[in-house]
Amino acid sequence: DAMVIQNPRYQVTQFGKPVTLSCSQTLNHNVMYWYQQKSSQAPKLLFHYYDKDFNNEADTPDNFQSRRPNTSFCFLDIRSPGLGDAAMYLCATSRTGLMRKLFFGSGTQLSVL
Amino acid sequence: DAKTTQPNSMESNEEEPVHLPCNHSTISGTDYIHWYRQLPSQGPEYVIHGLTSNVNNRMASLAIAEDRKSSTLILHRATLRDAAVYYCILGNSGGSNYKLTFGKGTLLTVNP
Repeated sequence: DAMVIQNPRYQVTQFGKPVTLSCSQTLNHNVMYWYQQKSSQAPKLLFHYYDKDFNNEADTPDNFQSRRPNTSFCFLDIRSPGLGDAAMYLCATSRTGLMRKLFFGSGTQLSVL
Repeated sequence: DAKTTQPNSMESNEEEPVHLPCNHSTISGTDYIHWYRQLPSQGPEYVIHGLTSNVNNRMASLAIAEDRKSSTLILHRATLRDAAVYYCILGNSGGSNYKLTFGKGTLLTVNP
């Protein structure tokens, strides 16, 4: 089945050590999103790509960056993870248009030691 | 972004209908009403969406008030697998800055 795949499922990193999370999709969707979800909280949008156009949320820290080398792949880079960055990171995709149904991956649970 | 208000939690019994309310008094004319749910340790999944008319699909029904300031997600027969956090979200109209902003959602507990 066409899917949104996030690897790895669990990621452990050290305080201040750069980490990259990956997302791939077989849906050929134009839009890809990254959400951060902390424990018992709602998912919070960090940024999204509309094709190659990057759209950053105003309150997303500079510590978070993203790359989209092609339609299928999108990466989330955390340059210097802090303890407060421990969370589930969710990737989602959608088509363009007035009503966009989002397809989510299973997420990557990031731990910062 | 237009906001939604949902109860923090609701409880239901298995095989009974569940009505999950959502208020969105500042909805704009072009906002779609989306419902997603998130099962434990999984990413959110799409449930249903609507604009003005009531909608049905294999998962649920969506009842939208005539003034569009509120909506209700209806699960016709709750099962244990329906236990999840349900999010009511307004989606702004098209364009490159389209995004879905999640609110706190309703935690649905289903009792056997």
